[in-house]
Amino acid sequence: QQQVKQSPQSLIVQKGGISIINCAYENTAFDYFPWYQQFPGKGPALLIAIRPDVSEKKEGRFTISFNKSAKQFSLHIMDSQPGDSATYFCAASMADDMRFGAGTRLTVKP
Amino acid sequence: DTAVSQTPKYLVTQMGNDKSIKCEQNLGHDTMYWYKQDSKKFLKIMFSYNNKELIINETVPNRFSPKSPDKAHLNLHINSLELGDSAVYFCASSPTGNYGYTFGSGTRLTVV
Repeated sequence: QQQVKQSPQSLIVQKGGISIINCAYENTAFDYFPWYQQFPGKGPALLIAIRPDVSEKKEGRFTISFNKSAKQFSLHIMDSQPGDSATYFCAASMADDMRFGAGTRLTVKP
Repeated sequence: DTAVSQTPKYLVTQMGNDKSIKCEQNLGHDTMYWYKQDSKKFLKIMFSYNNKELIINETVPNRFSPKSPDKAHLNLHINSLELGDSAVYFCASSPTGNYGYTFGSGTRLTVV
């Protein structure tokens, strides 16, 4: 049973555009919501994370929007660059238990 | 001075063999994990260890066994390898409490 649902499966964006990836979770016990970026042949790397007491967090071109009542959160990548092309995973965590979404393969075209 | 290091990076072996993957972290984290990433990139937790105690054990075949000699190491032993075990295995670690994980670079296991 997948506890974190992620969409879309793949996304193609033009350079300079906005990339948006969405996630939804079921378990209200989750209290930490990170996003990971994975390049081919590498391990996932923590990109940005949010806790449910805030509705938005921004770090550079990356923003997480969080809707606690809807149990949804999303990643926005502003001014997308070809170097952002990677697979992105959302996750939801409680204590030492982190569950991942299925991943979104982002391609940013020059 | 890699934070989470796994060895080997690639492992090709025949069905029925027994193999081990090693993981070490130098971050002083209290909890270590093993994840399996299948061909569709889905990340599934297999095990986690906190202070030498297994705290998560998902529906993983008992052919897989984690071994933690100390807080900085979590090795994965796999017995009687099967074709379906082919995947990329990631080790990760995290500090106490609910924080992000630091992943290793993965071990690509191919069973032929």
